[in-house]
Amino acid sequence: KNQVEQSPQSLIILEGKNCTLQCNYTVSPFSNLRWYKQDTGRGPVSLTIMTFSENTKSNGRYTATLDADTKQSSLHITASQLSDSASYICVVSVNNAGNMLTFGGGTRLMVKP
Amino acid sequence: DTGVSQNPRHKITKRGQNVTFRCDPISEHNRLYWYRQTLGQGPEFLTYFQNEAQLEKSRLLSDRFSAERPKGSFSTLEIQRTEQGDSAMYLCASSLGGFSTGELFFGEGSRLTVL
Repeated sequence: KNQVEQSPQSLIILEGKNCTLQCNYTVSPFSNLRWYKQDTGRGPVSLTIMTFSENTKSNGRYTATLDADTKQSSLHITASQLSDSASYICVVSVNNAGNMLTFGGGTRLMVKP
Repeated sequence: DTGVSQNPRHKITKRGQNVTFRCDPISEHNRLYWYRQTLGQGPEFLTYFQNEAQLEKSRLLSDRFSAERPKGSFSTLEIQRTEQGDSAMYLCASSLGGFSTGELFFGEGSRLTVL
């Protein structure tokens, strides 16, 4: 069964600190992995998309890593800001399947001043 | 604004009533998806269209749910005889092409509360 597990479920950090969110998946065959940021009551917004051959990808203060061998990804947030408070959702795409996106349950991050 | 647009953003209804949500995708996108999201969970797939054809429906989409995409442009999701368990955020997303290449853009969602 295709699954995406994220940890931790929730996280509280102080403004300015770094943090790392984890995503483990069992999806096969793998096509790509995406990280989305979802503010409360809003739709998800894409941060990164990584294919099988990509190990790391950055988007400003967000850096995603992918280890396709161990089927793990991480999202590292540097110098956190209050506006980083949101849910971060890991999404894995199955190769050549029309609709097949498997969503993780998300990590809820709260950045405190 | 050229993003995915959803209306209404919020809907409160009484159990048993029918509700309809509308999604206007990014204009050149041929694929349109509906997801349902409950609090603290990731989105769950409901159905998707390629142009005007509805290609797949989840088992979550009971016979009280129907979705259309006439002319391959906007889409509507109708829920008949709403139940309290239907309370959720209904997200629409669109893409150009499949997931191997296409970025997926979400709308802001339509939040349904069934009393």
